[in-house]
Amino acid sequence: GAVVSQHPSRVICKSGTSVKIECRSLDFQATTMFWYRQFPKQSLMLMATSNEGSKATYEQGVEKDKFLINHASLTLSTLTVTSAHPEDSSFYICSARKTGLDNEQFFGPGTRLTVL
Amino acid sequence: SQQGEEDPQALSIQEGENATMNCSYKTSINNLQWYRQNSGRGLVHLILIRSNEREKHSGRLRVTLDTSKKSSSLLITASRAADTASYFCATGPGVARGTALIFGKGTTLSVSS
Repeated sequence: GAVVSQHPSRVICKSGTSVKIECRSLDFQATTMFWYRQFPKQSLMLMATSNEGSKATYEQGVEKDKFLINHASLTLSTLTVTSAHPEDSSFYICSARKTGLDNEQFFGPGTRLTVL
Repeated sequence: SQQGEEDPQALSIQEGENATMNCSYKTSINNLQWYRQNSGRGLVHLILIRSNEREKHSGRLRVTLDTSKKSSSLLITASRAADTASYFCATGPGVARGTALIFGKGTTLSVSS
């Protein structure tokens, strides 16, 4: 199988602080990772596509200066929520794409961010 | 952006009954996948069906795909209380590298004992 981890699983921070979330593919290399956000009782919304060694591609309406993405290696992508505000409180889920017939994505367990 | 629309949005059934959820999508796809999510938890991958397949089974799950109608259905047979969760379809929009899975809005299934 393919395992993707996320850290931390849960974080509570004060408004105005920055929070970094890590996404790691543990047993495969991923040139492409994806970041999703999920608000309560809603579906997953794609935020950005993270490509190793290049700039991330952001979906419309997602502020690239607020959600900084770094994909510095083939097994690690990070999402930094800068100057977090209560409206940024959400469940953030990453996925890593494994090259193959179906280019399957494997999802991390998610990070619950609460901004006070 | 959102690709799929599931229906119904919510479904309540008794244990032992079958549950059917439908998903419609808009653009061409390479494959379609179904996921389960328990409240506040991560995603569990259930099944993947490719665009050239029409039906697939996995245990109590049966998935169909009709590319001419751009729709898919997920059937859970002999449901159990543990099947209570949200179910999402997600489409793989093509063979282009880097394209993400796009999720539908989901169906919330409640199975009572």
